[in-house]
Parts: sequence; structure tokens; C-alpha cells
Amino acid sequence: AQRVTQPEKLLSVFKGAPVELKCNYSYSGSPELFWYVQYSRQRLQLLLRHISRESIKGFTADLNKGETSFHLKKPFAQEEDSAMYYCALLTGNTGKLIFGQGTTLQVKP
Amino acid sequence: NAGVTQTPKFQVLKTGQSMTLQCAQDMNHNSMYWYRQDPGMGLRLIYYSASEGTTDKGEVPNGYNVSRLNKREFSLRLESAAPSQTSVYFCASSEWSSTDTQYFGPGTRLTVL
Repeated sequence: AQRVTQPEKLLSVFKGAPVELKCNYSYSGSPELFWYVQYSRQRLQLLLRHISRESIKGFTADLNKGETSFHLKKPFAQEEDSAMYYCALLTGNTGKLIFGQGTTLQVKP
Repeated sequence: NAGVTQTPKFQVLKTGQSMTLQCAQDMNHNSMYWYRQDPGMGLRLIYYSASEGTTDKGEVPNGYNVSRLNKREFSLRLESAAPSQTSVYFCASSEWSSTDTQYFGPGTRLTVL
């Protein structure tokens, strides 16, 4: 079955601490994975995708096919990183995205 | 550019009532999507449209119908609302497919009593 799991509903860290938002997936094909973010009172927007191998706002995510994971990391959290983060998996050639349950990141001052 | 717009922003219905959620995009995108967001469930795809004149079911289509009126507009209809359809509904669009970035609307918060 195709599935995306984000095990943490809430992750609370202090400013300057490292952050890791976990994402695990189940998919028989070659996965394409994304992280979307929703800041307070803003729209859901793309943060990064694994095929781009880029760092956005200091965040990186590496696809680990052996562990079927795509964890989102940032070495030093900032208060403005507080938001809801969704991991998403592209399934097949129909273009449908499957989203995880979401993790709320709370960065305390 | 307004991007993706949705109307209404809020709606309260009684069980059995019908309504249509409107979505429009001004980015000349080919693909459009409807999702619902429920606590602890993330976003789930209801229907999508890969191009004008085509629609297809997503993960949770039961109780909904859609119309791709033209390239810009993609509406979602609840024929007979049920309390289980209480949710936040998001419309999104992308240039061609989900491989491309999806751009989301601000959402419609629907409550069915």
C-alpha cells in the first residue's frame, strides 16, 4: 500500500537547536518526495523536493531508500520556522500526491 | 496575480443541504485538485483534473462531485452534506501534473451540523 507516515504530531524545540522532522513512506515504485509547509495564516506551499537536492531556508532532506525515509533537517531552528510541515509522496504517472498527517513544529525563544 | 482563489472562506450547512465550493486560478495551469484536511489525517485528495474537460477520483471521492468548467475554474459540489464532511477544503493547481509544484488556495472551512 502507498502510505506516508509522519510519526510526530508536534515537535517542540528551542531556538538554535537542531530539528529533524521524520517522514517514512511505503511505495513499490521509484519514489518522488516533497515537503510542504503551512505557516500561520498563510497558504500551504512547497518547501523542497528530493529531486532538486537543494537547501531551502536552511532545511535539507535526503531520500534514504533503504530506510524508506525522507526526514527534514535543519541544524539551527529559528522562531520563524514554526509551522505545520507535510511530507508528500507522488504516486505513479497520474500525478496524485499522498500527504502524511503533518507535524507541527514549534520553535520556542 | 491572485494565484488560486476559493469561495466561500467559511460555510455552515445543515445535514442534507447542498453547496458548491468554487476555485479559480489565473496561472494558466493545466491541472487542478481538491483536497480535504482533517486533524490527524493530513490532506487527502478528493478529485483532480489533469486538463480542461477531464476529472478523476482521488482517495476520498464519495459524497462529492466536481466540474472543470474551463481551464481556470474547478468546482466541488456536495449534493447532500453530512457531518462527516466537516473539514477544511483546499483547492490547488499545477502547471502539468503533481511533478510540478502545487499552488494552494487559502481554504474553505466547512461545518455540517
